[in-house]
Amino acid sequence: EAQVTQNPRYLITVTGKKLTVTCSQNMNHEYMSWYRQDPGLGLRQIYYSMNVEVTDKGDVPEGYKVSRKEKRNFPLILESPSPNQTSLYFCASGGQGLGETQYFGPGTRLLVL
Amino acid sequence: LAKTTQPISMDSYEGQEVNITCSHNNIATNDYITWYQQFPSQGPRFIIQGYKTKVTNEVASLFIPADRKSSTLSLPRVSLSDTAVYYCLVGEHNAGKSTFGDGTTLTVKP
Repeated sequence: EAQVTQNPRYLITVTGKKLTVTCSQNMNHEYMSWYRQDPGLGLRQIYYSMNVEVTDKGDVPEGYKVSRKEKRNFPLILESPSPNQTSLYFCASGGQGLGETQYFGPGTRLLVL
Repeated sequence: LAKTTQPISMDSYEGQEVNITCSHNNIATNDYITWYQQFPSQGPRFIIQGYKTKVTNEVASLFIPADRKSSTLSLPRVSLSDTAVYYCLVGEHNAGKSTFGDGTTLTVKP
């Protein structure tokens, strides 16, 4: 089954404790992206990757890191989480080219205390 | 990226047709128009996509006028399960930055 998976789905952590949220897709997509969603603020893009070893900032990259060492994986790293990073996070992937759409993962709900 | 404007919310009743319009005055030549549906705590899901004129699939229709400065998502005979947030996204898609905008919260009442 074609899908985007994220782990963990739920995470409670404390300020300053490094964490990684994994994202994996099995559709051989070049494009991958991370979003966060907060009440009243909609979906905001954090980082995106056009292909392996190619990443770039979205609209809200502060406090986050990403890497794209393999085509299928695009982990999101919070080196020193803070309470304002409490949010619902979505990973997405898609093929490149005109008309391609994005496929979203199930989401990771993060609470930073 | 073309900025999009949608109504914040809409109400409807079961069985009615719902039309949600999105304005995108700065749409570029290579931009496609894509609509996504999102239920609470789930990732957005693709509904329909078009470039110009009209596109129809099993769940919706998309109407795009000749100037492409707006588009209308049409949901025929909505049901309670169509209650969701609908996003209009304009761009070359997966060519970099992706801005979803605020979306339209559709509430379908019995």
